[in-house]
Amino acid sequence: GAVVSQHPSWVICKSGTSVKIECRSLDFQATTMFWYRQFPKQSLMLMATSNEGSKATYEQGVEKDKFLINHASLTLSTLTVTSAHPEDSSFYICSASADRRTPWRSEQYFGPGTRLTVT
Amino acid sequence: KNQVEQSPQSLIILEGKNCTLQCNYTVSPFSNLRWYKQDTGRGPVSLTIMTFSENTKSNGRYTATLDADTKQSSLHITASQLSDSASYICVVSAFSGGYNKLIFGAGTRLAVHP
Repeated sequence: GAVVSQHPSWVICKSGTSVKIECRSLDFQATTMFWYRQFPKQSLMLMATSNEGSKATYEQGVEKDKFLINHASLTLSTLTVTSAHPEDSSFYICSASADRRTPWRSEQYFGPGTRLTVT
Repeated sequence: KNQVEQSPQSLIILEGKNCTLQCNYTVSPFSNLRWYKQDTGRGPVSLTIMTFSENTKSNGRYTATLDADTKQSSLHITASQLSDSASYICVVSAFSGGYNKLIFGAGTRLAVHP
């Protein structure tokens, strides 16, 4: 089946620094990738949707200048948390779809997640 | 408001027993409903995807049902195993905020004990 990887799996950083998280589709071309965050015992919350080669679409309440998303190729999307603060500590999960036109109808393949802790 | 509600929040069963998880949604228009299994500290893994016209779909020991009229779905797990311990998330594809996206339920945390 389709495999999505994330790197790193966990990261600890100091407040004020920036952290980059990578999401890769290993065996298919992901025209659309999604970034979620998940707090303990809560469900996934969509942060943004990115299509390869175009700007990401952010959900209401998500600061686009703080969470920079780049989807430069069909197999790689990156999420950069800029000037991280302790409240940004969370579990970040990406997913990928090979269907650009109707990604909400097709299968989404999730990465294993990245645990970010900001001290 | 588009919402997906799951019950129970948590459930403990003994190994080998069956269980049923519930999902109610208030989403319109409806595109499809998905069940995912999420192990602690891992990303979700798809179990089933059901469209409006599908009433039931199986994946091994997992059987999902869908009643589009009452906007209810269930996930039945047969002969549970210790490895079934996880969160099970009901997700509905919806049209919201001007475009389509996935609406996630809060999940049911299942613990299977020996």
